[in-house]
Amino acid sequence: NAGVMQNPRHLVRRRGQEARLRCSPVKGHSHVYWYRQLPEEGLKFMVYLQKENIIDESGMPKERFSAEFPKEGPSILRIQQVVRGDSAAYFCASSPPSNQETQYFGPGTRLLVL
Amino acid sequence: AQSVTQLDSQVPVFEEAPVELRCNYSSSVSVYLFWYVQYPNQGLQLLLKYLSGSTLVKGINGFEAEFNKSQTSFHLRKPSVHISDTAEYFCAVRPGYSSASKIIFGSGTRLSIRP
Repeated sequence: NAGVMQNPRHLVRRRGQEARLRCSPVKGHSHVYWYRQLPEEGLKFMVYLQKENIIDESGMPKERFSAEFPKEGPSILRIQQVVRGDSAAYFCASSPPSNQETQYFGPGTRLLVL
Repeated sequence: AQSVTQLDSQVPVFEEAPVELRCNYSSSVSVYLFWYVQYPNQGLQLLLKYLSGSTLVKGINGFEAEFNKSQTSFHLRKPSVHISDTAEYFCAVRPGYSSASKIIFGSGTRLSIRP
């Protein structure tokens, strides 16, 4: 059983560019969560999605950030016009519909904005 | 709303010594509690979880935690640590109802093991 897959593992962008982070949940999991970990801090919730629906985006910055989880394919976290403060590790987690108590985390994408 | 406090940002311990990592939470509703471990440059791995039932929860790698409702604590313990336990440990909480989604994490405790 493959766990949560994230790619790329490392991403370098210059200020003003776009960053696209991908997350493939565990097979059979229909719930996806994105978290951000700033240097020397814990993880902060960003958004919770089910297939084709955003359920809770209370942790998403109001501008430049968007997320989707299409019917087919991975979940995408998109950051437009990146700034240095976006440098962080972005983690995706998934859970199955029958057991939402536990979330299983991917290895993360470490974004560095120059 | 829920919050999690990890009282120690760093805990140095000698190899084979016991360790306790402290975690307190606050919530107006019942909660699920978790401990995750993060090895350097890796993702989070679930160590153990408390959903209901017995307040003493055993996890992987010899760790255990005890849920104390009156003290709103969920401290993590291991009787004898190994060098390989060097990592960052995160306590986390989630509302215990089905429509809940996000997990609230503490700021983490860095466990360093000295030989």
